[in-house]
Parts: sequence; C-alpha cells; structure tokens
Amino acid sequence: QVQLQESGPGLVKPSQTLSLTCTVSGGSISSGSYYWSWIRQPAGKGLEWIGRIYTSGSTNYNPSLKSRVTISVDTSKNQFSLKLSSVTAADTAVYYCARGLELSGTLNSWGWFDPWGQGTLVTVSS
Amino acid sequence: SSELTQDPAVSVALGQTVRITCQGDSLRSYYASWYQQKPGQAPVLVIYGKNNRPSGIPDRFSGSSSGNTASLTITGAQAEDEADYYCNSRDSSGNLVVFGGGTKLTVL
Repeated sequence: QVQLQESGPGLVKPSQTLSLTCTVSGGSISSGSYYWSWIRQPAGKGLEWIGRIYTSGSTNYNPSLKSRVTISVDTSKNQFSLKLSSVTAADTAVYYCARGLELSGTLNSWGWFDPWGQGTLVTVSS
Repeated sequence: SSELTQDPAVSVALGQTVRITCQGDSLRSYYASWYQQKPGQAPVLVIYGKNNRPSGIPDRFSGSSSGNTASLTITGAQAEDEADYYCNSRDSSGNLVVFGGGTKLTVL
C-alpha cells in the first residue's frame, strides 16, 4: 500500500525558507487521478491546508499562504516538495503530506485525504 | 476563520451514541470527509463520500448529510474513540480545501 514520509530540517530561522520533501513509496506518484497535498497543524490547534499539486504540475494554494508557498513534484523520484518563504514563528507546526482524490457525481462531489505521512515538526526560531 | 464550523468539544458515555456535526455552505453540494486524530498521531480517514468507511474502520462509524450540515455518528462509542475529529470539504468557490476547526470527543 502507498505510504508517505516527510523529510527536511526541523529547525528554520526566521525570514528563511522552509523546505520539506514527501517521498511516496508502495506506488507511483503518477498513477490514478490523485493529487498531493501539504497540511500543517500548529501545536494544540487544528489542521490547515497549505496547497496541492497534480502530477500534471497544476497547483492550488491556500489564499492565506499563497504569496509564500511553492509546491513542486518530481515524478522521477516519486517525491513532491514544499517551500514556504519568509517564515516566522507563526509557521511553527507539524507538517503533513497526504494523497488526495476528488470525485464528482450527478448531484454531489466528494474527496478525501488518504494516506497521510506521519508528520514532521518544523520549528521557526533563531 | 474556517468555512466549516464544528463544536469544539463533545462528550459521550461509554457504549452510547454520539453525533459530531460540521456546518458549511459547501456541504450542500459536497460530501464531507472525516478524520480521527489521536494525540501525537497523524489524522486517519474514517468516513468519505456519502457514507463510506475505509478498510479497517469499525462499522460503528457512519456519516450522513442534510442541507448544509454533515454528521459523523459513532454508535456504541468505545474508549479508543476518544480523539479529535475533523471534517473536510471545499471552500465556497469549490476549488480550495478547507478543514473544520475540529471536535474533541471525550468518552466518559
């Protein structure tokens, strides 16, 4: 079964760029109609969607982060990545990668995230 | 602020039934998905689509939808169901993903 694993520095200095990679194993990142997302969760708070990428390269970002976020995909490595620039302490969070899927029926649409990576804590501090 | 509204906390007696709700305009045309998150763990998908459970999710978990409200029902809550639960849908444009603020479920 498909598994996701986040990797990257656990500590980033303020004003620098946070960079994370999600490695997909157990299946091809290009198979099916899936998209690949980053989601974060500050300590004690809820989930915040950061953005997504399809293997075509098409992206969507959370408007609140759009000016600072870039998500890219490397199908040859079965990986996708997150870059978040000009970070502050407010960007300290556990960052998750997840596989998403959207479907549409006659009257309704639906989607979900599954699986998720285990998450990686990124702390922004000098 | 989230476009999906959840009650911050809900409690249920062991073995009883509990409903966790999620409200938002997008839910009139979009089925919510639901995630269970236990402390220190990643979220786990428990309900998607009209009322579908991934493999391994107990059948005491079910989903429903009416108007702008989606519901996750746990019939016969167990101690291990104590967790945070998040709903997920799309924003009013239909293009972006949103999560509810989460509901902390306590099993008494």
